[in-house]
Amino acid sequence: DAGITQSPRHKVTETGTPVTLRCHQTENHRYMYWYRQDPGHGLRLIHYSYGVKDTDKGEVSDGYSVSRSKTEDFLLTLESATSSQTSVYFCAISESTGGDNQPQHFGDGTRLSIL
Amino acid sequence: AQSVTQLDSQVPVFEEAPVELRCNYSSSVSVYLFWYVQYPNQGLQLLLKYLSGSTLVKGINGFEAEFNKSQTSFHLRKPSVHISDTAEYFCAVTRQTGANNLFFGTGTRLTVIP
Repeated sequence: DAGITQSPRHKVTETGTPVTLRCHQTENHRYMYWYRQDPGHGLRLIHYSYGVKDTDKGEVSDGYSVSRSKTEDFLLTLESATSSQTSVYFCAISESTGGDNQPQHFGDGTRLSIL
Repeated sequence: AQSVTQLDSQVPVFEEAPVELRCNYSSSVSVYLFWYVQYPNQGLQLLLKYLSGSTLVKGINGFEAEFNKSQTSFHLRKPSVHISDTAEYFCAVTRQTGANNLFFGTGTRLTVIP
């Protein structure tokens, strides 16, 4: 989908372990986003990045950290995974934050299960 | 902050029948509005967006939506659905200025019955 690759696509891990999800884009877009999707909640923004090493929190950022050392990669880390973080995680990209350029490209998601 | 309410979590409809998926939003500032579609095991795809101008916006796959500022609504419509329209549909809102992250509704699952 529009040059966005999420890895891994599926992961099962145990409570308390660290987990890192990767989003890679080939579009050279400035903005990258991490969302989680849960039944009854739709998609909620975790963190976003507006450039290399520039990141900010979304509405559900507790328990998550991010890093962006290169334009093309945006990493989401769960330092110590909890069962409440079981979810489907989506990465999205956009050229800018203007209405005409809101995230229009989403990755295919990572299904994360924490036991 | 902004918020979106999609009142219908599931909408079954027969093939070739019309459909309307409802979306209401809340915001104290001017907003942009969007509809996204999600097919099984895929990410979200933009269907259409309202930025300004005509309140009736047309999108892909024959969908259209009408922005109604007085009723704070942005309902999605299609005059005749196909089996391939079976998917989950999300309404989203963002403010026009300042921090403009997307806020999504909880989604409406459209099932087209043959």
